[in-house]
Amino acid sequence: GQQLNQSPQSMFIQEGEDVSMNCTSSSIFNTWLWYKQDPGEGPVLLIALYKAGELTSNGRLTAQFGITRKDSFLNISASIPSDVGIYFCAGQHNAGNMLTFGGGTRLMVKP
Amino acid sequence: EAQVTQNPRYLITVTGKKLTVTCSQNMNHEYMSWYRQDPGLGLRQIYYSMNVEVTDKGDVPEGYKVSRKEKRNFPLILESPSPNQTSLYFCASRLTVNTGELFFGEGSRLTVL
Repeated sequence: GQQLNQSPQSMFIQEGEDVSMNCTSSSIFNTWLWYKQDPGEGPVLLIALYKAGELTSNGRLTAQFGITRKDSFLNISASIPSDVGIYFCAGQHNAGNMLTFGGGTRLMVKP
Repeated sequence: EAQVTQNPRYLITVTGKKLTVTCSQNMNHEYMSWYRQDPGLGLRQIYYSMNVEVTDKGDVPEGYKVSRKEKRNFPLILESPSPNQTSLYFCASRLTVNTGELFFGEGSRLTVL
């Protein structure tokens, strides 16, 4: 299947710091999605991106759909302890194709 | 409340003992899917179903079976589990294959000894 490279694999930061993570692909995607998985739970959708160059915010979270359509990043500003979890990117090639997930970024926040 | 429900949430079993993980959604979604989550590998799709009686293989289907006799249910069957199927499994559903948010269940942690 297709591969999405997500980095970093894990981050351990201090509360209040900003966080940045990204996903890259060797192929073009038409949709990029970012999910968060809280400990012991299933992933939940945070942000969906549908156009190259699109920049979308959801509270302290901001995600961008790369111009080349082969990458996306997620920023979290002023992190708080409840930001702890695993963040997944996911890409979809076009209508009808399945979602491909990145390997996840495990975020740990020290109060 | 809109939800995807999986059972069991936790299971320890032995090699070769058939087991079924059930999945049910109450949102009248056409599309349902099973994923396994392993450290560093993200979520890999096992099988998916676009509608009743329509199922297809995902990226890692070996050792698994599914069925979709009713719209709301999509059980995952391990006929003869092996230790390499020890993993965290997620069922998910979506309105159709390419519309709507993908909703995930809470996960089923399976250990095969």
